[in-house]
Amino acid sequence: AQSVTQPDIHITVSEGASLELRCNYSYGATPYLFWYVQSPGQGLQLLLKYFSGDTLVQGIKGFEAEFKRSQSSFNLRKPSVHWSDAAEYFCALTSSGSARQLTFGSGTQLTVLP
Amino acid sequence: SAVISQKPSRDICQRGTSLTIQCQVDSQVTMMFWYRQQPGQSLTLIATANQGSEATYESGFVIDKFPISRPNLTFSTLTVSNMSPEDSSIYLCSVSGTGHTEAFFGQGTRLTVV
Repeated sequence: AQSVTQPDIHITVSEGASLELRCNYSYGATPYLFWYVQSPGQGLQLLLKYFSGDTLVQGIKGFEAEFKRSQSSFNLRKPSVHWSDAAEYFCALTSSGSARQLTFGSGTQLTVLP
Repeated sequence: SAVISQKPSRDICQRGTSLTIQCQVDSQVTMMFWYRQQPGQSLTLIATANQGSEATYESGFVIDKFPISRPNLTFSTLTVSNMSPEDSSIYLCSVSGTGHTEAFFGQGTRLTVV
């Protein structure tokens, strides 16, 4: 069975500081990995995705993520956080070629201090 | 990407009643999904809405409680039946993109059962 773990329930950073949100996965084959962001009262917005190829993927809003097969990780990073980045972030996985069963992590709530 | 509209955006309902949530997509899509996000929790897939046939439910979810319709390739409904306070959640409609390797989400329906 596939699973996604986000070890950090809540992270607080100061505006302008760098950010890294952790995501570990468990899946027997090559995973399709995603990061979504959910702002208060909003649905989920796709930040970036990894299917194959270059292990460093760029997304929207200045985010990037690096796929590390050896560590079963797909951590999300941003060099300088903006106050508008405060939201909940979800890492998700699906089996290759199918979005039928997206498995989500438990989410990381990001607070940005002025 | 697809633009997904959900109605209602929020509702407060009496226990024992039912609520039908509508999901409209701006283009024809093959796969539509319904997720539940309980307070403070991650997303859990309820079912896949199949056009022209019965929905495919995930473990723990049954048709009598969550009947789903999918009359065409752009529209689906989810009904939450005989509601109890435990059904208070955000319900999200999702569709898969081209190649079915990613999912797009509506803004969700925030349901409170009193």
